[in-house]
Amino acid sequence: AQKVTQAQTEISVVEKEDVTLDCVYETRDTTYYLFWYKQPPSGELVFLIRRNSFDEQNEISGRYSWNFQKSTSSFNFTITASQVVDSAVYFCALRFISNFGNEKLTFGTGTRLTIIP
Amino acid sequence: EPEVTQTPSHQVTQMGQEVILRCVPISNHLYFYWYRQILGQKVEFLVSFYNNEISEKSEIFDDQFSVERPDGSNFTLKIRSTKLEDSAMYFCAETGTAYGYTFGSGTRLTVV
Repeated sequence: AQKVTQAQTEISVVEKEDVTLDCVYETRDTTYYLFWYKQPPSGELVFLIRRNSFDEQNEISGRYSWNFQKSTSSFNFTITASQVVDSAVYFCALRFISNFGNEKLTFGTGTRLTIIP
Repeated sequence: EPEVTQTPSHQVTQMGQEVILRCVPISNHLYFYWYRQILGQKVEFLVSFYNNEISEKSEIFDDQFSVERPDGSNFTLKIRSTKLEDSAMYFCAETGTAYGYTFGSGTRLTVV
């Protein structure tokens, strides 16, 4: 199966707290890519990060960091010192090759993050 | 990140009417997609389009849907006879950038 699970439907934290969004994936591919997207209330999908299956280094970009662990099939996303502007729905996605040989993205169900001022 | 433009940003249509959603891709890309997101739900794959042909479609993409690239630039999604359950956000996407996938800003379709 090619699947992404985001078990946290909604999270609320007070501004300046740290928050971690969980993402667990399933894939039969040995080469795959994982993504995180942010969807603000305006509706567009904002690209945050792409990580390939051969690169398990954690990544930090400002207040954002990602922890990729193949051993647990997880690609978690942490926001440090959260801000109100971080309020959005966050999607984790998996790029895989379908049975027809086409690359596709499958998305998790998303986590709605609310930052309380 | 390079931009993919979608028009219109919002469309309201009566049930049974035809709608055409448009996407202006980044030049020189070959692989295009349409994804759909029903309000409050996950983003779902509809169809992939490669070298001016459908390469794969989901079970959602029935005979009411069609895609084409009529003039070699714009990429369109047509819904022939809209149903209430077609109300959703529709995203076009393409691959070929350093980001892997570039999504358009979306068209919010409301069928009444």
